[in-house]
Amino acid sequence: AQSVTQLDSQVPVFEEAPVELRCNYSSSVSVYLFWYVQYPNQGLQLLLKYLSGSTLVKGINGFEAEFNKSQTSFHLRKPSVHISDTAEYFCAVRRYGGSQGNLIFGKGTKLSVKP
Amino acid sequence: DVKVTQSSRYLVKRTGEKVFLECVQDMDHENMFWYRQDPGLGLRLIYFSYDVKMKEKGDIPEGYSVSREKKERFSLILESASTNQTSMYLCASTRGSSPLHFGNGTRLTVT
Repeated sequence: AQSVTQLDSQVPVFEEAPVELRCNYSSSVSVYLFWYVQYPNQGLQLLLKYLSGSTLVKGINGFEAEFNKSQTSFHLRKPSVHISDTAEYFCAVRRYGGSQGNLIFGKGTKLSVKP
Repeated sequence: DVKVTQSSRYLVKRTGEKVFLECVQDMDHENMFWYRQDPGLGLRLIYFSYDVKMKEKGDIPEGYSVSREKKERFSLILESASTNQTSMYLCASTRGSSPLHFGNGTRLTVT
């Protein structure tokens, strides 16, 4: 079975600073990996996804993530954050060939950007 | 643009009431999902459906049922609401293996 661990429940950071939100997964089979963002009072929307190919994936709003198979990690990064990036971020995993119903979410990381 | 609409943003119900949470999507997606979101627990899958009149249990189906009479509509039913079902409920839909599209959520309080 797959599982996802988001190592930090809360990350405070100042505006224009870089940020890294950490995600580790465990799986005995190959997986697809996703990052979703949830702004206050909204549903989740897709930031980026890794399906295959290049291990560095670029997403919306200047975010990127790197798939590291040996470390079983998929950390999310942004070189310079804005106040508007304040949100909760969820890492998720799905096994190859699995349906979307098999999407396993981490517990979330709340990013708080301060002026 | 895909739109997933949950009929209520906030709902307050009493213990023992039967509760219906409605979700409608406008993109002819065959797959629909109900998740529950609780602080510190992330999202947990309650039920999902791959087609009209089809349903499958997710990770936490106890105390819930679902109905999918039409392709665009997926209803979550709490047969007898309890206080431990106070939560944020998120509906999502997708076609094939494309990413999930989420509604804005229904915050349910059971008193």
